Amino acid sequence: QVQLQESGPGLVKPSETLSLTCTVSGGSMSDYYWSWIRQPPGKGLEWIGYIYNSAGINYNPSLRSRATISADTSKNQFSLKLTSVTAADTAVYYCARLIAVAGNFLDFWGQGSLVTVFS
Amino acid sequence: DIQMTQSPSSLSASVGDRVTITCRASQNISPFLNWYQQKPGKAPELLIYEASTLHSGVPSRFSGSGSGTDFTLTIGSLQPEDFATYYCQQSYNALTFGQGTKVEIK
Repeated sequence: QVQLQESGPGLVKPSETLSLTCTVSGGSMSDYYWSWIRQPPGKGLEWIGYIYNSAGINYNPSLRSRATISADTSKNQFSLKLTSVTAADTAVYYCARLIAVAGNFLDFWGQGSLVTVFS
Repeated sequence: DIQMTQSPSSLSASVGDRVTITCRASQNISPFLNWYQQKPGKAPELLIYEASTLHSGVPSRFSGSGSGTDFTLTIGSLQPEDFATYYCQQSYNALTFGQGTKVEIK
């Protein structure tokens, strides 16, 4: 059973960079897509982007200028950096595995990591 | 961008009721439509992918249908553990979620 666990600071100051890491256990990262999704408190889900085999990357156009996703398959980890954060970036950030066949769905999710942008 | 619109935004229902949630896309997205269930404080869980395929371990009272721009999630007989928020998600072009439908106890 694949498991994902987000880690990173829970507080980030405005204008600084949010950094999160997702550690994948119970399976290899190879040949899968790995995604970041966020959810502001009390609101819906927003896809941030995904990475495939450490090289194929796609971002939500609304976040493309500030988001960077990278992967270290030797550590079974992938990461998110979001620059120039504001209060609007306060959210629970989830990492998830994306199955890119038959509907392109997210089948395994981390528990989520709350990041608050607060000065 | 493909916009996803769910209706209703919330509904009240009783245990045993048949519940239907609809999701409309701003363009044809067949068959790239998935449904998720999210309970408070938890990550979403996949229910249905490719519009109508039940994910492993999901009870058969859940079903999905639709094509083109209009899709439906049906819960055949609502159970106490089904009170949650449901999201549709398209993956025809990048990924976009609907705004969610909260199913509450009547």
